[in-house]
Amino acid sequence: QKEVEQDPGPLSVPEGAIVSLNCTYSNSAFQYFMWYRQYSRKGPELLMYTYSSGNKEDGRFTAQVDKSSKYISLFIRDSQPSDSATYLCAMSDRGSTLGRLYFGRGTQLTVWP
Amino acid sequence: EAGVVQSPRYKIIEKKQPVAFWCNPISGHNTLYWYLQNLGQGPELLIRYENEEAVDDSQLPKDRFSAERLKGVDSTLKIQPAELGDSAVYLCASSLVVTGELFFGEGSRLTVL
Repeated sequence: QKEVEQDPGPLSVPEGAIVSLNCTYSNSAFQYFMWYRQYSRKGPELLMYTYSSGNKEDGRFTAQVDKSSKYISLFIRDSQPSDSATYLCAMSDRGSTLGRLYFGRGTQLTVWP
Repeated sequence: EAGVVQSPRYKIIEKKQPVAFWCNPISGHNTLYWYLQNLGQGPELLIRYENEEAVDDSQLPKDRFSAERLKGVDSTLKIQPAELGDSAVYLCASSLVVTGELFFGEGSRLTVL
């Protein structure tokens, strides 16, 4: 079992839809939670960064962390065709593997006009 | 500000041949990472540098992989000899501090025939 599980999709939605992406994890030491967006043949770029549990909102994006359930989510409101990409969750701890990000396998999202 | 620069972007070699990838991090970023991304998977850390020192290389297959970061700036990742299973994207990333945001390059895509 991998430390971070993420449904690879693919997920296809119409423009304007609300998109829900999520990951589960097994390591209770994870404290930092991130969502990266990766366009085809590009490197990942950071979208959202949260520490511990709670919600964080940035424009059309909302990240949620539920440490009790070991479950994180990313919501995209009013989705746009430009949101079409692969979304990777990532997490890390402050222990012996400080600085190492553990990624999910990514969910491929297509938003059609 | 220039981002993380990697070269070559694409490389095709035959098995048992050597290959090297080069990375120039964002100016002033002391922490440099090499990640491996297999098709349809999230990136996995190979090695992390703090300045010139490799502080986390536990995931680097040392029988065939080597890396160096001379003068604490540019870094080179080498594979010798390459195997078919090494076909993947090799991502370089840098951060200002180890707990800070990672900035990824566009990656070097390796195909081993």
